[in-house]
Amino acid sequence: GESVGLHLPTLSVQEGDNSIINCAYSNSASDYFIWYKQESGKGPQFIIDIRSNMDKRQGQRVTVLLNKTVKHLSLQIAATQPGDSAVYFCAEYTGGFKTIFGAGTRLFVKA
Amino acid sequence: ETGVTQSPTHLIKTRGQQVTLRCSSQSGHNTVSWYQQALGQGPQFIFQYYREEENGRGNFPPRFSGLQFPNYSSELNVNALELDDSALYLCASSPGTDGNTIYFGEGSWLTVV
Repeated sequence: GESVGLHLPTLSVQEGDNSIINCAYSNSASDYFIWYKQESGKGPQFIIDIRSNMDKRQGQRVTVLLNKTVKHLSLQIAATQPGDSAVYFCAEYTGGFKTIFGAGTRLFVKA
Repeated sequence: ETGVTQSPTHLIKTRGQQVTLRCSSQSGHNTVSWYQQALGQGPQFIFQYYREEENGRGNFPPRFSGLQFPNYSSELNVNALELDDSALYLCASSPGTDGNTIYFGEGSWLTVV
């Protein structure tokens, strides 16, 4: 069935280093992917998205890479800061009305 | 801030009771989706409303119901509350139903005791 999964439940990085959060999806028909950041006690916050006709998209300090061949998505955060500590979700839109979320990866940033 | 507002922010209910959660969508957004997020898990899709009608539903029982009003605001109703209904309930709005980014409110924390 359809699923969006994450390779690692937690990730710990040193402040200033780059972070890479990975995500696998199973539905090859998915055409839109979104990364969300969720801080403790808050709702998910949109970070960046990418359509299936793209391989890479850059934002401010964040880059999303899409590899459709292996159905893999990644979020790269440059120069990770303490404020980046949160749970990160990848989400998959497969058409229709539903956006499917993975379980999330918790990012810890060590000072 | 996304412009999506939810109320109440926290509430405690007893098993068997009923609860109503409310959501105001972002200006210009006509579609509202509701998600349930249990502790330590990702959001699970409950249903979506578009033009005051349910547009799709996830794997939730009928005791989860909703409404959308002409101003696009929405309600989530849960009857016969169970302990497992304890979760963060998230409302998200979008400018349409097809391939649009959904923007979340801060959620309503429901504890069932």
